[in-house]
Amino acid sequence: DQQVKQNSPSLSVQEGRISILNCDYTNSMFDYFLWYKKYPAEGPTFLISISSIKDKNEDGRFTVFLNKSAKHLSLHIVPSQPGDSAVYFCAARGDHGSGNTGKLIFGQGTTLQVKP
Amino acid sequence: DTAVSQTPKYLVTQMGNDKSIKCEQNLGHDTMYWYKQDSKKFLKIMFSYNNKELIINETVPNRFSPKSPDKAHLNLHINSLELGDSAVYFCASSRTSSGSTFNEQFFGPGTRLTVL
Repeated sequence: DQQVKQNSPSLSVQEGRISILNCDYTNSMFDYFLWYKKYPAEGPTFLISISSIKDKNEDGRFTVFLNKSAKHLSLHIVPSQPGDSAVYFCAARGDHGSGNTGKLIFGQGTTLQVKP
Repeated sequence: DTAVSQTPKYLVTQMGNDKSIKCEQNLGHDTMYWYKQDSKKFLKIMFSYNNKELIINETVPNRFSPKSPDKAHLNLHINSLELGDSAVYFCASSRTSSGSTFNEQFFGPGTRLTVL
């Protein structure tokens, strides 16, 4: 029972264009969403987050959009750069029935390739 | 100046052996986590300690035992290793604020465990 899903295993875009990575979730109790970026042989690094009380958060080239009614969030990268090529994980946090413990549930990741 | 470090980075061992993975963070965080990334690339929480107290304990075999000697360290000991334990194990840490809010998690580089 995967509560956080990233249905696109991979995405390829041209440098300078927009990259849009998508994430769907099933648990309406999630209150906080995060995106992590992971390079090979390294741990995930935090990229950007959004609280469930907002529908948009922007940080430089990265913007996360949250659509609670659709239980969907997306990460936009504009403009995309070759250095953005990595695996992107969506994660959700919330009350899982035992209080807020900080537990994150991750999607399976989307591999982004930005071509020069 | 490494924030979250893990040792060893690679671990190859025989079935039935007992092994430990160490994790240390120098961020002053009070919560630490262990995640397992399996062959399907899913990142799943295993354990979490807050101020040396176990707060998350997922459905993990008893062969896995976390130990937190202090807030900066969370070690993972695995008894009687099995083939299915082969995975990449990530340590992470975060800081709580406002009493119960768990902030972004910072990950270590991972330990690739191979059980032969």
